[in-house]
Amino acid sequence: DAGVTQSPTHLIKTRGQHVTLRCSPISGHKSVSWYQQVLGQGPQFIFQYYEKEERGRGNFPDRFSARQFPNYSSELNVNALLLGDSALYLCASSLSTGGFYGYTFGSGTRLTVV
Amino acid sequence: AQTVTQSQPEMSVQEAETVTLSCTYDTSESDYYLFWYKQPPSRQMILVIRQEAYKQQNATENRFSVNFQKAAKSFSLKISDSQLGDAAMYFCAYIASNFGNEKLTFGTGTRLTIIP
Repeated sequence: DAGVTQSPTHLIKTRGQHVTLRCSPISGHKSVSWYQQVLGQGPQFIFQYYEKEERGRGNFPDRFSARQFPNYSSELNVNALLLGDSALYLCASSLSTGGFYGYTFGSGTRLTVV
Repeated sequence: AQTVTQSQPEMSVQEAETVTLSCTYDTSESDYYLFWYKQPPSRQMILVIRQEAYKQQNATENRFSVNFQKAAKSFSLKISDSQLGDAAMYFCAYIASNFGNEKLTFGTGTRLTIIP
């Protein structure tokens, strides 16, 4: 079975631009979460979606948005990029919500804003 | 708010020896899950071990085991017979088990170096 797939793996954008990151969960997983990992820090929670509904939102500005599609894949969108948005963006999938089933992470998208 | 603290930014151990990574957390919840994740240079977070707070027995997975002290809010990871492939960043993480709280809270990580 394929793991959690994220695309693209690397991305370079200019300040003020918009970016879309994509995530395909493990087959059968209905929950997708997004995390931002700045260099040298632990991942920070951005969003969680389950059955296409937002179930959790972290302390990020409204420039960050996400959605989940009927096939449970997900997109993370960031508008008006700032230099501080440069980070590794991780997607995690789970069978359901909560910690009982654990979370499987993808290899992330490395976003560099110049 | 829940917090997770890893007080050892870096640790090193000789190959085949045993090393313990520390983690403490703060929460007012009584039921929750704790995880240790490994992040090698490939960037993917790999689940090492999981502990349910309602279980008194410490979790073990082959060479990996935890020392879970609920009253002290401590959750350390012991790696026995360290191998070169164990070199990575290790993150401790917490999630409350109540439905609707979907956020994994991570510590700042410990970089583990294995000395041949």
